[in-house]
Amino acid sequence: EDQVTQSPEALRLQEGESSSLNCSYTVSGLRGLFWYRQDPGKGPEFLFTLYSAGEEKEKERLKATLTKKESFLHITAPKPEDSATYLCAVQEVAGGTSYGKLTFGQGTILTVHP
Amino acid sequence: NAGVTQTPKFRVLKTGQSMTLLCAQDMNHEYMYWYRQDPGMGLRLIHYSVGEGTTAKGEVPDGYNVSRLKKQNFLLGLESAAPSQTSVYFCASSTRPGLGEQYFGPGTRLTVT
Repeated sequence: EDQVTQSPEALRLQEGESSSLNCSYTVSGLRGLFWYRQDPGKGPEFLFTLYSAGEEKEKERLKATLTKKESFLHITAPKPEDSATYLCAVQEVAGGTSYGKLTFGQGTILTVHP
Repeated sequence: NAGVTQTPKFRVLKTGQSMTLLCAQDMNHEYMYWYRQDPGMGLRLIHYSVGEGTTAKGEVPDGYNVSRLKKQNFLLGLESAAPSQTSVYFCASSTRPGLGEQYFGPGTRLTVT
C-alpha cells in the first residue's frame, strides 16, 4: 500500500529564514511525485511534478527535489505570503485496474512571521 | 475560464437527509475526482470518472454515489447523510491520470448533525 509521510506537521519561520519540508514515500512503482499548496478555505493548488530521482524544479522561492525515498521542498528567504499548507502526493504507475491514483500526505502547515 | 467550480460552498444537513454536490469544469478534462479532506487524514479519494458516462470507486466510496452524465459535470450524492460524512469535499479534474497534475475546486464544507 502506498504511503506518504510529511514532516514536520507544522513549521514556524521568521521572514527570510530558509528551511525545508520533507516528504517520505513508499510506492510500488513511482510515476510521479507532486507538491501542492493549500491556503485556508481553498482547494489545493498545483506547484511541481517530479518524475525521477535527482530531478529538481524551482518556482520563485521554492525548490523541490526528489530521491528514491523522499522529496524535499526547500523554501529560500520565505515571506509571509508563503504561509500555507504544503501537500505532497505520489502517483503510482498506472496499469491493470490502477488508474494512477494520487496518495496524499497529511501536509505541513507553514507559518512565516514578518 | 473558471477552472473547477463547486456548489454549494457550505451546507448543513441532518442525519438521514440527502443532498447532491455539483462539480463543473470548463477545461475539457477527461478525468474527474471527488475527495474528502479531514483533519489528520489528508485527502482521500471517494469516486472518480475517466470519462463521460463512466464512474469508479476510490478509497472511501461507502455512503456516496456519483454520476457523470456530461463531460464537464461530476455529481456526488449522499443518499442518507451520517455525522461521519462531515468533511470538506473537493472536486478535481485532469487531462489524463498519467500526467498526475490535478486541478482542484474551492471545496464544499458539509456538516451533518
